[in-house]
Amino acid sequence: NAGVTQTPKFQVLKTGQSMTLQCAQDMNHEYMSWYRQDPGMGLRLIHYSVGAGITDQGEVPNGYNVSRSTTEDFPLRLLSAAPSQTSVYFCASSFGAGTEAFFGQGTRLTVV
Amino acid sequence: EDQVTQSPEALRLQEGESSSLNCSYTVSGLRGLFWYRQDPGKGPEFLFTLYSAGEEKEKERLKATLTKKESFLHITAPKPEDSATYLCAVSGYGGSQGNLIFGKGTKLSVKP
Repeated sequence: NAGVTQTPKFQVLKTGQSMTLQCAQDMNHEYMSWYRQDPGMGLRLIHYSVGAGITDQGEVPNGYNVSRSTTEDFPLRLLSAAPSQTSVYFCASSFGAGTEAFFGQGTRLTVV
Repeated sequence: EDQVTQSPEALRLQEGESSSLNCSYTVSGLRGLFWYRQDPGKGPEFLFTLYSAGEEKEKERLKATLTKKESFLHITAPKPEDSATYLCAVSGYGGSQGNLIFGKGTKLSVKP
């Protein structure tokens, strides 16, 4: 049972480049979400989805885009990377609101 | 606004020296309070969910308790392998839409 799988694990981007962080889960969870983790800031919610075709913004959505075409996949797109987006990104999934979330191993992104 | 504050930020213990980590929270109707463990370079690993005041959960040397305003993670006779960052999160019925709101964590170091 793979759980939540994120790719890539590491990425370096130049300012202005775009890229997609991939996230897939095999637990048939309805809820999926993206967090970023920065030193001293904790985990902050970027975007989330309550099911296929439904997405919404979290605490820090600017500069990021998401879509959810299937239950399994929830990619995060950086439209034009900025140094402020240097962070560790985590994808998570759960059965629904108020239930425990299971996290992927993270993507460490550096924007230069 | 839902909020989570963890203390202390860092805790150093000798092997076998029991202690407690604190998680204070404010939330518009608690759906659940969650404890996670995070090792360096890894995603958060789920430990416990608590739903109502007075509830307790145990796993090996860890015991989580919940009141209406805070939760404690008690560590009994810790071992060096318990060294990690421990994260607390809440999910509420208010503006957070059932998503997890995280504290900044407590970094625990256990010396042999």
